[in-house]
Amino acid sequence: DAKTTQPNSMESNEEEPVHLPCNHSTISGTDYIHWYRQLPSQGPEYVIHGLTSNVNNRMASLAIAEDRKSSTLILHRATLRDAAVYYCICQNTNAGKSTFGDGTTLTVKP
Amino acid sequence: DGGITQSPKYLFRKEGQNVTLSCEQNLNHDAMYWYRQDPGQGLRLIYYSQIVNDFQKGDIAEGYSVSREKKESFPLTVTSAQKNPTAFYLCASSRRENTGELFFGEGSRLTVL
Repeated sequence: DAKTTQPNSMESNEEEPVHLPCNHSTISGTDYIHWYRQLPSQGPEYVIHGLTSNVNNRMASLAIAEDRKSSTLILHRATLRDAAVYYCICQNTNAGKSTFGDGTTLTVKP
Repeated sequence: DGGITQSPKYLFRKEGQNVTLSCEQNLNHDAMYWYRQDPGQGLRLIYYSQIVNDFQKGDIAEGYSVSREKKESFPLTVTSAQKNPTAFYLCASSRRENTGELFFGEGSRLTVL
């Protein structure tokens, strides 16, 4: 699996957009980029995933660099409920496993 | 409702005792995973299984054992050989393809006294 690098923490104001970056410079051609988030004492939940093109869903948008070595999770209007640890992982079917780093702790200020 | 169920949610054990954590899924997923999480840290992969009767070691398998006798069940045993077993344990499942979203259970918090 490709190793991912994320900032330890980020802050945002409520109702403002948030851009969470992730570097994955060793990503392979078959790796999908997935994002998950985790609230305290809970299991992570899926947010979004993509391969090459930018993706949108009801929770967030995923912008993937043209060379695929980095990606950005975009929360269009942060709410207090978005405060969580966000994980970026590269998922490869051949490896059959997923490895999580330490993620980014997002704090949302009212 | 479909999902993953982990039990027990909280568990206390004495040093030297083996402990088995249960993980059951009714999502018809082929792949299942066990992770360990220590306070303030990310998830580390212990074991994973892509198919019944087959499993592979993850990054921190020492002191742990698993079995996959049924598609829906993937129990984890924390043995006395695990030097520091106190942690939050998470089970997950997914389809085998790399687009497969991971579904997580609520976790089991093990404290060894």
